[in-house]
Amino acid sequence: AQKVTQAQTEISVVEKEDVTLDCVYETRDTTYYLFWYKQPPSGELVFLIRRNSFDEQNEISGRYSWNFQKSTSSFNFTITASQVVDSAVYFCALSVVPSGSARQLTFGSGTQLTVLP
Amino acid sequence: GAGVSQSPRYKVAKRGQDVALRCDPISGHVSLFWYQQALGQGPEFLTYFQNEAQLDKSGLPSDRFFAERPEGSVSTLKIQRTQQEDSAVYLCAGGDRGFSGNTIYFGEGSWLTVV
Repeated sequence: AQKVTQAQTEISVVEKEDVTLDCVYETRDTTYYLFWYKQPPSGELVFLIRRNSFDEQNEISGRYSWNFQKSTSSFNFTITASQVVDSAVYFCALSVVPSGSARQLTFGSGTQLTVLP
Repeated sequence: GAGVSQSPRYKVAKRGQDVALRCDPISGHVSLFWYQQALGQGPEFLTYFQNEAQLDKSGLPSDRFFAERPEGSVSTLKIQRTQQEDSAVYLCAGGDRGFSGNTIYFGEGSWLTVV
């Protein structure tokens, strides 16, 4: 069985501060994918990034960066110079290669990020 | 439309009432998923369709939940004899290649409150 833990329920920062959202995952599969999604108040889940288990290179996209460490089963997400528009719930998710069944996303419980002006 | 459309956006049902939630995916998307998101929680998988075939329904919490996609496009999630624990946001997602999370597009959800 798969499990994703986001220990931070809520985080508040002041605009322009950097913030890191933690994600720890559990799986026995050797091939898997990790994701981050953003859920603004409107409700839809917006895809941010996907990484596969064989690629531990960190990634940077604008103000966003991701740190994937298999040794600690973590896939942390950092927002640099946060902005008010970054306020949302952020979900980390895990997907394993299907074995006779449709691949499902297993989500963490989310981190509510509030960026104050 | 440009994205995944769900209706109704908000539904208040009396306990015991049947409800039907509709998902209109992006045209041509083969795969369709339903997820249930309780307040303060992450989405949980309910069921998956590839075209009109329901390939996985292992996440449906009880036999009161039923989903269909008869023509491989629009899907309906039906909940019979609703109970308070069914109160949640029901998210629909579609994808063009099935399994990759980054090709799955989510709708805004149907917010169900059972009173």
